[in-house]
Amino acid sequence: DTEVTQTPKHLVMGMTNKKSLKCEQHMGHRAMYWYKQKAKKPPELMFVYSYEKLSINESVPSRFSPECPNSSLLNLHLHALQPEDSALYLCASSQVGGPWGYTFGSGTRLTVV
Amino acid sequence: QQPVQSPQAVILREGEDAVINCSSSKALYSVHWYRQKHGEAPVFLMILLKGGEQKGHDKISASFNEKKQQSSLYLTASQLSYSGTYFCGTERVGETSGSRLTFGEGTQLTVNP
Repeated sequence: DTEVTQTPKHLVMGMTNKKSLKCEQHMGHRAMYWYKQKAKKPPELMFVYSYEKLSINESVPSRFSPECPNSSLLNLHLHALQPEDSALYLCASSQVGGPWGYTFGSGTRLTVV
Repeated sequence: QQPVQSPQAVILREGEDAVINCSSSKALYSVHWYRQKHGEAPVFLMILLKGGEQKGHDKISASFNEKKQQSSLYLTASQLSYSGTYFCGTERVGETSGSRLTFGEGTQLTVNP
């Protein structure tokens, strides 16, 4: 299995809703990442997990809350988002101790209304 | 700090060659190259480490000039399937490898028949 699977593919949520994005990989990668990508822009790093521990938070607002329950799974919990948070949210994974190339999921397209 | 990519866009006819450049004002540990097609995940192409090297992947190759902190991606005899947005990603010296990948603004490559 050489894929990173993200669900859901599309999500529309209101500003008062709570929702979660899910990311799963079975490649044995112990580094996992959340990126945010706006249209026609590059991916921007949000969070890095290494061996299931949060190692980098790029000053992301607290309305985004990451979680890594095990080595295969990464979640992003969303609460009280703003319309400007609408974007493609990409999950990626890689081996650690590299550098190694990242494997990206196809993303969740989030619209905040 | 975001690397600088050039050109912003390239239009080719099938069979023509192209070069995409990526430069940084900071000392780099590694340079990654990814291709993203519209509505899809970024796909890893190759990674180059400091020390200066050149790598190849079919008709796509890349080099890393450590003195100039610049990497170039070479696409030869382009095919229709090469169309997409190419991103370089850089990791700086002094940062944990594989943990903080910063992407350039991207180069949109279009290959026409």
